[in-house]
Amino acid sequence: GENVEQHPSTLSVQEGDSAVIKCTYSDSASNYFPWYKQELGKGPQLIIDIRSNVGEKKDQRIAVTLNKTAKHFSDLHITETQPEDSAVYFCAATGTASKLTFGTGTRLQVTL
Amino acid sequence: EAQVTQNPRYLITVTGKKLTVTCSQNMNHEYMSWYRQDPGLGLRQIYYSMNVEVTDKGDVPEGYKVSRKEKRNFPLILESPSPNQTSLYFCASSLSGGLNEKLFFGSGTQLSVL
Repeated sequence: GENVEQHPSTLSVQEGDSAVIKCTYSDSASNYFPWYKQELGKGPQLIIDIRSNVGEKKDQRIAVTLNKTAKHFSDLHITETQPEDSAVYFCAATGTASKLTFGTGTRLQVTL
Repeated sequence: EAQVTQNPRYLITVTGKKLTVTCSQNMNHEYMSWYRQDPGLGLRQIYYSMNVEVTDKGDVPEGYKVSRKEKRNFPLILESPSPNQTSLYFCASSLSGGLNEKLFFGSGTQLSVL
């Protein structure tokens, strides 16, 4: 089945800097890659998603890039980070088993 | 307000004492699902339901039961909880269960089994 790996597990950046979270997936047939943000005490919330026929998608300070070469990865980029970006971020992928598999999560801390 | 509501938020129990975690959504979604979140393991699916009276196993169904008698409710039942079921649980729903659909999550239930 699909195996989704996410790095790093924790990430600390200064306010205003950029943050990049990397996600790799094993199933070359995966075609949908959402990213969820989980704030403290809340459930995950979809922040951006990308489909396999698109290389990059942006939404204000958030962008996701997709590379479907042999390595198969989806990266989340957050620019001009702010304290409210502090959260746990999950990538996910939909594989041939027709199910959504989540990564292990990245705890992002934005320091002042 | 469109939301998924879970109760309770926190629960401490002892091994073997049956418990139920409730989940309700007000968006008329057909698809509902339960996940557990553990450090280093991410979100793993326990059970899901495509519609009323239709349920199926996820990746980690052992020790859990679910039911879907009404469209809006999807309770998670632990008949005989064990310490390895100590975890953070999330209920989620989506419109029809399509693979590319947005999932709406509840706020979570932190369960401790002593």
